[in-house]
Amino acid sequence: EAVLTQSPGTLSLSPGERATLSCRASQSIGTYLAWYQQRPGQAPRLLIYDSSNRATGIPARFSGSGSGTDFTLTISSLQSEDFAVYYCQQRNNWPRGTFGQGTKLEV
Amino acid sequence: QVQLQESGQGLVKPSQTLSLTCTVSGGSFGTTYYFWNWLRQRPGQGLEWIGYIYYTGSTYFNPSLQSRLAMSVDTNKQQFSLKLRSVTAADTAIYYCARDNRLGSGWYFDLWGRGALVTVSS
Repeated sequence: EAVLTQSPGTLSLSPGERATLSCRASQSIGTYLAWYQQRPGQAPRLLIYDSSNRATGIPARFSGSGSGTDFTLTISSLQSEDFAVYYCQQRNNWPRGTFGQGTKLEV
Repeated sequence: QVQLQESGQGLVKPSQTLSLTCTVSGGSFGTTYYFWNWLRQRPGQGLEWIGYIYYTGSTYFNPSLQSRLAMSVDTNKQQFSLKLRSVTAADTAIYYCARDNRLGSGWYFDLWGRGALVTVSS
């Protein structure tokens, strides 16, 4: 089962800046990767599935890319509501699906 | 608009059984399109998948927990439930129910409950 490693652990940026978050898998997972956003006190929210597809209702400033072992979530211009924790998750061996340890995006 | 809501005990004593229920409202529960899952998040930690139950009652569990797990479903009430036996402090967590949906080429958790905090303590 693939282990996911996210980097950096914490990313400090300002509104309007571009954020680039990384997720690396210990073995190839194709494009079976999702990104979730978790705001404080809230449940995770699906942002991206199949590595690069935005989920319903997700703004266009969120984009995902990658395949195999290296994946990236990009937020083109940070809004105040984007400061949260982001998790990647692999579904290559469905139904089991491990999560990365998270990247905290802070102001 | 489909919503999920967890309910159950907030405090469980060590060695006892944790019980939670997830109620699905605003949509069809007993369809072939979804798997109904439980996940948890321990304090300050990441997310851990616990297992799923299909509307027919078939289940699949995380191997690390399966010896202590049971899940059930009540399609009439549009509910599914989790029981975790012999709990310890390590089972203290926020427990989420979530819907697993086929999107694109894979399956992903596209709908989550708000979470239920369960504390294991005497």
